[in-house]
Amino acid sequence: SQKIEQNSEALNIQEGKTATLTCNYTNYSPAYLQWYRQDPGRGPVFLLLIRENEKEKRKERLKVTFDTTLKQSLFHITASQPADSATYLCALGGNNDMRFGAGTRLTVKP
Amino acid sequence: DAEITQSPRHKITETGRQVTLACHQTWNHNNMFWYRQDLGHGLRLIHYSYGVQDTNKGEVSDGYSVSRSNTEDLPLTLESAASSQTSVYFCASSEDPIPYLSTDTQYFGPGTRLTVL
Repeated sequence: SQKIEQNSEALNIQEGKTATLTCNYTNYSPAYLQWYRQDPGRGPVFLLLIRENEKEKRKERLKVTFDTTLKQSLFHITASQPADSATYLCALGGNNDMRFGAGTRLTVKP
Repeated sequence: DAEITQSPRHKITETGRQVTLACHQTWNHNNMFWYRQDLGHGLRLIHYSYGVQDTNKGEVSDGYSVSRSNTEDLPLTLESAASSQTSVYFCASSEDPIPYLSTDTQYFGPGTRLTVL
């Protein structure tokens, strides 16, 4: 069955460091992968999309990589700030389907 | 500004009762979705619609139904609420004319926390 795993439930880092979140998947061939941010008590908010034929995407302090051979996406936040503390969800889509991972809760300590 | 709203934001009901959760979007999007979010499971798709009069079952549709009579609204009905349906429910919409085949960025509502006692 299809499975999406995000590296850990929680990740704690120090302000200014780079946060790296992992999204691994099995039994799936997504046409694209998205990352969302979710704050407590709110709905997810779209951040970035990367297609299967793209290796890397950047947006300001965010960077996403997509390795279809490893079946993995890495999500990086450089120069992290306490305001980046949230839960980050990956979502895989294509073939009339879209599935979300359970999310990783990131805490950036000042 | 365009938005997507859900009501109520919190609901407590009893086992066996029928419950309807409302979702209203002013984006004029054709595609609308209902998800539930439970600890450790992430977001799971319940039902979705690609347009008026169109509805489709998602991954966890048992015990739920939807109807789409206009572009703006997709109400979710729990026919006979069960304790296993205690969850946070999110509605989302997207504009992609070819759902899931392109980019299909989804815009989410604020969620409804439902407790079934």
